[in-house]
Amino acid sequence: EPEVTQTPSHQVTQMGQEVILRCVPISNHLYFYWYRQILGQKVEFLVSFYNNEISEKSEIFDDQFSVERPDGSNFTLKIRSTKLEDSAMYFCASTVRETQYFGPGTRLLVL
Amino acid sequence: EDQVTQSPEALRLQEGESSSLNCSYTVSGLRGLFWYRQDPGKGPEFLFTLYSAGEEKEKERLKATLTKKESFLHITAPKPEDSATYLCAVQGNSGGYQKVTFGTGTKLQVIP
Repeated sequence: EPEVTQTPSHQVTQMGQEVILRCVPISNHLYFYWYRQILGQKVEFLVSFYNNEISEKSEIFDDQFSVERPDGSNFTLKIRSTKLEDSAMYFCASTVRETQYFGPGTRLLVL
Repeated sequence: EDQVTQSPEALRLQEGESSSLNCSYTVSGLRGLFWYRQDPGKGPEFLFTLYSAGEEKEKERLKATLTKKESFLHITAPKPEDSATYLCAVQGNSGGYQKVTFGTGTKLQVIP
């Protein structure tokens, strides 16, 4: 069964550094999403992406965040200058008919 | 703004003891209500999508129902492997129609 994959599974970085989180969505899905989940808290929507552009973003998704689909398969989330409060699990999801299939997540720790 | 409230926060059941989880929601035009299962350290695993009041869906020991204000996830004769956090989420017609709002989940523990 097709699944969403994410790399790396864990990332430790220093505050102020740039990180790139990678996702390979399910092929033939058209909508892609990034979410974050701070430890012990609920899953929060960051951004949705369709047809090579952002279709919607939350107030969390400020100028330090960006998303790209550099080729036909990968979907990336870049955080330009990480902050301590960016420490969280980041999930990618791809969608068919409003049903979202989530990847296993990247655990980001900012020191 | 879309809101999702789940109750109870935690639920402990004996194996075989049926129960229901509640998800109350407010949304500007419901496009879909979703139920997910999340195991510790993992991504949410899709269970059901419900689109309109009166709709019901079943999968093994789970049954999801939907009204205009809430959804229930009924668990019949649960087993220890059903232990997980169950998440409810909604997608509405506001903004760009893509934002999904999650509840905080119900942590279910099934004791043998």
